[in-house]
Amino acid sequence: GNSVTQMEGPVTLSEEAFLTINCTYTATGYPSLFWYVQYPGEGLQLLLKATKADDKGSNKGFEATYRKETTSFHLEKGSVQVSDSAVYFCALRLNTGFQKLVFGTGTRLLVSP
Amino acid sequence: DGGITQSPKYLFRKEGQNVTLSCEQNLNHDAMYWYRQDPGQGLRLIYYSQIVNDFQKGDIAEGYSVSREKKESFPLTVTSAQKNPTAFYLCASSLGSGRVSGELFFGEGSRLTVL
Repeated sequence: GNSVTQMEGPVTLSEEAFLTINCTYTATGYPSLFWYVQYPGEGLQLLLKATKADDKGSNKGFEATYRKETTSFHLEKGSVQVSDSAVYFCALRLNTGFQKLVFGTGTRLLVSP
Repeated sequence: DGGITQSPKYLFRKEGQNVTLSCEQNLNHDAMYWYRQDPGQGLRLIYYSQIVNDFQKGDIAEGYSVSREKKESFPLTVTSAQKNPTAFYLCASSLGSGRVSGELFFGEGSRLTVL
C-alpha cells in the first residue's frame, strides 16, 4: 500500500538553528509529494510540493527534494524562526486517476527565542 | 477572496444528538473531503466526493454521513452512532481527477466537543 512515515516530534530548536524533518514514503507508483503546515487552531496550508523525481520544492525558506532512490522528501530550513513553530505534515498522492492524499502523522516543531 | 469556509468554528453537542458541520468552497473545485484530526495524530479521511451527487467512504466513515447536492457544498453530519466524536474536523477541496499536482486546500476547521 501507500504510506508516509515521518520522524516523531516534538522537534525543539533554538531560533536560527538548522531544521531537518525526515519523511520517507512507500508507493505503488510514482507519487507527487507535499509538505503541509498547520499553525495552532488552524487548518492545513500547502508549504511546498514536488511532482517528480529530483524536483526541489521551496517556499518561505523551506526546501525539500524528491529523492526517488531513497524514497524520501526531507524538509529543511537553514535558519528557523519562532514563527515557524507549527505541525508539519508530509503527504503523497499517486499521479494516476483520482487519488486521495495520504498523510504522515505530523511532526511538531517548537522554536524558542 | 476564494477559499473554503467551515462553520461553526466551535460546536458543543450532548450525547445522542446529531450535528451537522458546514463546508462551502468558491474555488470551483470538483473534489471535496472531510478529515478528522485527534490530538497528536495525523489526519484520517472520513468521506470524500469527486463530483456532485457522488461520494465515497474514507477510512473512518462509521457514524458519519455526508451529502453533495451542490458543487460548492459538502456538509458532514456526525450522528449519535459515532462513539467518540470529540475531535477537530477539517474540510478540504481539490481540482479532482486528472490534475497531477493534487493539491488540497483546507478550511480553518471545526472543533466539536461532546459534553
